[in-house]
Amino acid sequence: TQLLEQSPQFLSIQEGENLTVYCNSSSVFSSLQWYRQEPGEGPVLLVTVVTGGEVKKLKRLTFQFGDARKDSSLHITAAQPGDTGLYLCAGGRGNTGKLIFGQGTTLQVKP
Amino acid sequence: GAVVSQHPSWVICKSGTSVKIECRSLDFQATTMFWYRQFPKQSLMLMATSNEGSKATYEQGVEKDKFLINHASLTLSTLTVTSAHPEDSSFYICSAYPSGRLSYEQYFGPGTRLTVT
Repeated sequence: TQLLEQSPQFLSIQEGENLTVYCNSSSVFSSLQWYRQEPGEGPVLLVTVVTGGEVKKLKRLTFQFGDARKDSSLHITAAQPGDTGLYLCAGGRGNTGKLIFGQGTTLQVKP
Repeated sequence: GAVVSQHPSWVICKSGTSVKIECRSLDFQATTMFWYRQFPKQSLMLMATSNEGSKATYEQGVEKDKFLINHASLTLSTLTVTSAHPEDSSFYICSAYPSGRLSYEQYFGPGTRLTVT
């Protein structure tokens, strides 16, 4: 059973289009983090959200944490080829530091 | 800040040999580090939690005798793949959880590509 369902798992779009990636769970998380990973490298943290209903913006990226802290979304406006990569959501519970990862979304932005 | 390094970045070894991978937190202390395994185009799979000064906690299905973890200091954890076989070939990534910080953020190393021939 996957605790964090991430969708879609693959996305191929044209430069300039908008997209949204979803991360859903039936469990409550203390925090939700989004990472971006390029081939052959480790994940790089994009954002951490901890408060239900929280919205954070990072240039063209908008992150939202659901009111019940069970789901999150990542919206990218006017995608660029440089946004290509694997996007991972990860939920944190308790104070162990342990993260539960979603399946990941492979994004390809074509010029 | 919050830089994590891994060494080596890639390694090729023969079947039956052992390989040690190091994970270091360069500018912070980490009581807890995590080891993940990742297959191509897939998400990270947590293998074990490494705690400084105590035994590692392994996830279900991970062989503790095959994947030896040692967390000897607050800045270094090592993963040793013993008697490696081709099916152990994978991308291994570590992360470090800063000590004493009220945050859930982990910082990841760049990964180690292991190929067993």
